[in-house]
Amino acid sequence: GAGVSQTPSNKVTEKGKYVELRCDPISGHTALYWYRQSLGQGPEFLIYFQGTGAADDSGLPNDRFFAVRPEGSVSTLKIQRTERGDSAVYLCASSPGWGLNTEAFFGQGTRLTVV
Amino acid sequence: QKEVEQDPGPLSVPEGAIVSLNCTYSNSAFQYFMWYRQYSRKGPELLMYTYSSGNKEDGRFTAQVDKSSKYISLFIRDSQPSDSATYLCAMSGGGGFKTIFGAGTRLFVKA
Repeated sequence: GAGVSQTPSNKVTEKGKYVELRCDPISGHTALYWYRQSLGQGPEFLIYFQGTGAADDSGLPNDRFFAVRPEGSVSTLKIQRTERGDSAVYLCASSPGWGLNTEAFFGQGTRLTVV
Repeated sequence: QKEVEQDPGPLSVPEGAIVSLNCTYSNSAFQYFMWYRQYSRKGPELLMYTYSSGNKEDGRFTAQVDKSSKYISLFIRDSQPSDSATYLCAMSGGGGFKTIFGAGTRLFVKA
């Protein structure tokens, strides 16, 4: 595709349920990032992948959050035992390289609402 | 104290005005400084990127970085209604691969 694609665009789930959020990066991009954006705030870093491996997962808030990228392309962010405080827009970004000076392209996000 | 501070606004200006947006930061290790624009219900898009201190100009946009003061600015000349969006400052190079974002400033340009 032409840009970063995230599915679903909206997800409503009940407290305590498990959710998966999917990110399809731009073809050929080796670096992939997940961010979380709460209302009125800037994106908050969650995790960074170089290829298949998580190079920096220091932003994951707790062990309920996990992300994978098994083939170095599509990534899935998994949230167990969801809480109301997990409600936010989850943004994925990809970039062609792994350096800090390479531009990251963002998807439109998945709006997660935990009720 | 947050690593990056940004006034959330909103900032309302008439069409044609010069807009000044600013951020301060606390981590002196930051090396890369960016400005993103985010329209409602869209992902951020990169506007300007600067390495270390200095100025960078691109069309109507000028980015300035003053590392000695830990202060960055974005100027928009001849502002247009289509510039109405949230502007996010962002920084990296302060440790790991993460980019740290400010809270964003909401800008409204009135026709």
